[in-house]
Amino acid sequence: AQSVTQLDSHVSVSEGTPVLLRCNYSSSYSPSLFWYVQHPNKGLQLLLKYTSAATLVKGINGFEAEFKKSETSFHLTKPSAHMSDAAEYFCVVSDYAGGTSYGKLTFGQGTILTVHP
Amino acid sequence: DSGVTQTPKHLITATGQRVTLRCSPRSGDLSVYWYQQSLDQGLQFLIQYYNGEERAKGNILERFSAQQFPDLHSELNLSSLELGDSALYFCASSANPGPTYNEQFFGPGTRLTVL
Repeated sequence: AQSVTQLDSHVSVSEGTPVLLRCNYSSSYSPSLFWYVQHPNKGLQLLLKYTSAATLVKGINGFEAEFKKSETSFHLTKPSAHMSDAAEYFCVVSDYAGGTSYGKLTFGQGTILTVHP
Repeated sequence: DSGVTQTPKHLITATGQRVTLRCSPRSGDLSVYWYQQSLDQGLQFLIQYYNGEERAKGNILERFSAQQFPDLHSELNLSSLELGDSALYFCASSANPGPTYNEQFFGPGTRLTVL
């Protein structure tokens, strides 16, 4: 079974300061991990994905995440927050169960990022 | 724009009624997924289809059903609606069902309100 825990339901930062959104996962197999962003009244957009290649993954809009197997973490970071980054962020895991490709995603509960001027 | 389309955008109906939500995947994508987003349950996977066949089931109620047609569009049918079914329903598509390259592209969602 797979699960995702986003450690903060809300994060508030000032514009221009670093962003850290924390995510821990649980997976029986080698997981694929994703971060999705949802702006108000919008659909979900993929920020970045980890699929067992490089452990440091770069995404869109200056975001990156580091896969740490020993810590079962996949935290999302950005060096400098922008007002347009205000949104809800979801950490997502997808398992590979042996010879069966399920493809279903398991979402964390989401972290709402607020950016103050 | 993800390339995934969903209709309608909004749906308001009464308890006990039945509705159908429609999804057209990105061109070339064979796999379609349905998700429900509600305030109390968060984002939950409902069901997945691949090339017309059901591939995986999540927390989908028996009152709900789905299918994928030969042209690859999918419909989610919700019947005997209850107040608690009010939610945002997302459809997503991917090129294949495997998780390794399972980048799913999400539609804008259908907001269902049950009164």
